Amino acid sequence: GDSVTQMEGPVTLSEEAFLTINCTYTATGYPSLFWYVQYPGEGLQLLLKATKADDKGSNKGFEATYRKETTSFHLEKGSVQVSDSAVYFCALRSGGSNYKLTFGKGTLLTVNP
Amino acid sequence: EAQVTQNPRYLITVTGKKLTVTCSQNMNHEYMSWYRQDPGLGLRQIYYSMNVEVTDKGDVPEGYKVSRKEKRNFPLILESPSPNQTSLYFCASRSVGGNSYNSPLHFGNGTRLTVT
Repeated sequence: GDSVTQMEGPVTLSEEAFLTINCTYTATGYPSLFWYVQYPGEGLQLLLKATKADDKGSNKGFEATYRKETTSFHLEKGSVQVSDSAVYFCALRSGGSNYKLTFGKGTLLTVNP
Repeated sequence: EAQVTQNPRYLITVTGKKLTVTCSQNMNHEYMSWYRQDPGLGLRQIYYSMNVEVTDKGDVPEGYKVSRKEKRNFPLILESPSPNQTSLYFCASRSVGGNSYNSPLHFGNGTRLTVT
């Protein structure tokens, strides 16, 4: 079945540091890939997505590239801010009638001033 | 404002006492779904609904029921809650018609349930 593996947290960085959160997946066919962010006390919000190989999703300074050859979708940001502190989830959606997302376990990011 | 609203936000109950968590969306979405979030496990799908009166099991449906009598509402029912259902629950919805193939899933703010 489908699965998503993302790097274990927690990750603690200083403001303006470079961020990478690794994500790899296993899926049948050609899934769509997503990063969701969960701020404290809130639901998940879509951060970015990519729907086919070599697509790059980007939003709010975050980027991730759909790499079919390595089945990866790593999240990066060049300079993190304190306000980026949150839990980040990598997810995929395979084809089919259920629009289910398969999530990774989440990575807690804390950015210190 | 477009949103998915869950109630209550926090709920503490005892084993065996039936409860319902409500979910309502104001975006006229056809598709709705329930997930539970547990530490170290991420989010797992409980049930989903493709439209009114159309529901189906997700990955972890045991101990839960749902109904979809109206398009905007998708309540989650625990007929006889047990401690292993202590979790953070999220309702989500999305559009499925027209050009919405890659429409995002919109999540509510969650319901933290504790069963003692």
